[in-house]
Amino acid sequence: KQEVTQIPAALSVPEGENLVLNCSFTDSAIYNLQWFRQDPGKGLTSLLLIQSSQREQTSGRLNASLDKSSGRSTLYIAASQPGDSATYLCAVKWSGGGADGLTFGKGTHLIIQP
Amino acid sequence: SAVISQKPSRDICQRGTSLTIQCQVDSQVTMMFWYRQQPGQSLTLIATANQGSEATYESGFVIDKFPISRPNLTFSTLTVSNMSPEDSSIYLCSVGSWGEATEAFFGQGTRLTVV
Repeated sequence: KQEVTQIPAALSVPEGENLVLNCSFTDSAIYNLQWFRQDPGKGLTSLLLIQSSQREQTSGRLNASLDKSSGRSTLYIAASQPGDSATYLCAVKWSGGGADGLTFGKGTHLIIQP
Repeated sequence: SAVISQKPSRDICQRGTSLTIQCQVDSQVTMMFWYRQQPGQSLTLIATANQGSEATYESGFVIDKFPISRPNLTFSTLTVSNMSPEDSSIYLCSVGSWGEATEAFFGQGTRLTVV
């Protein structure tokens, strides 16, 4: 079964720390992996898209890596700020059959303490 | 990136009634999707909305409960039929395309409460 898992489910750190969110997926046949952020009561904001042929993508203080063979991705947030507090979701688009949409992990609820 | 507008943003409905959610995109898109996010859970794909043909439903979702229309390349609707409290969720519209380079974008969602 094609599944996506995120660890940890929740994380609380002081402002200024660097942190890593983890995402794992069960099937290496993927088109891409996308990281989103969801604020309470709002929709999803796309943060980074990593294509299956890429190893990492960077945007500002965010860096996402992809190791397709081991079925893992990490989202690195540098110098965290209270405004980074949100739920971070990892989603995979499979290439080996199945739905054309995305399969999501359950997310990591991140709190940055001022 | 595509700008996606969903209506309504929230609603409170009586059990047994139906609600139609609209999704409007500011440009023509290849693929449109509908997702459900139950309280405290992540997103689950309901169906792919196909332009000019019947939607493709995922396991656990059926057309009688969640009829979907897609009359053109910029608009789709999702109806939640014969609602029960278990249908209380956030429903989200998304757009994307085939291939590895296409980013998926989401509307702001419709928060539905069934009483």
